[in-house]
Amino acid sequence: KAGVTQTPRYLIKTRGQQVTLSCSPISGHRSVSWYQQTPGQGLQFLFEYFSETQRNKGNFPGRFSGRQFSNSRSEMNVSTLELGDSALYLCASSLRGSSGTRWDEQFFGPGTRLTVL
Amino acid sequence: QKEVEQDPGPLSVPEGAIVSLNCTYSNSAFQYFMWYRQYSRKGPELLMYTYSSGNKEDGRFTAQVDKSSKYISLFIRDSQPSDSATYLCAIGNTGKLIFGQGTTLQVKP
Repeated sequence: KAGVTQTPRYLIKTRGQQVTLSCSPISGHRSVSWYQQTPGQGLQFLFEYFSETQRNKGNFPGRFSGRQFSNSRSEMNVSTLELGDSALYLCASSLRGSSGTRWDEQFFGPGTRLTVL
Repeated sequence: QKEVEQDPGPLSVPEGAIVSLNCTYSNSAFQYFMWYRQYSRKGPELLMYTYSSGNKEDGRFTAQVDKSSKYISLFIRDSQPSDSATYLCAIGNTGKLIFGQGTTLQVKP
């Protein structure tokens, strides 16, 4: 079974630009979550999507947005990039059900390393 | 105060040593506790998952949750150089994971 895939793996952008990252979950997984990992703040939750709807959101500014498609693939977008947005962006998928409460293991992709110059 | 606190280390031990990794958390309502391992340039992978209190063992790894003191631990017995990685504690809370800072472990041959 193929794991979570993320594209691109590496990205270099300049301040003020925008960027779109892509995530393909494990087949059958309908929940996709995004995390930001930096040396200073560690791993922080961005948002979770389930059945094309954002179900949960972390404490990030509105410049960070996402969406999910009918095939469960997800994209996240960061507009007006800042130097502090340089990070590893991780996508995780799970079987978490529509109840919104049952816990399932989250499987992480390898991440997209974004560098903002 | 952070919701989950973890000493970032680094921690360096000789091969064969018993390793103890620990985290504390602030919210007594948390129920789902996990340990992830992350190798360099890779995404985190789930090592252990515990619901509520108690111990869980899987091979050389043992996870412990003490809800009375809000303390979670991971023990690695007979540590191997291949265990060298960053270990992250995490708490599951309504679909999101709250991570500790991660502890970098180096096991020297």
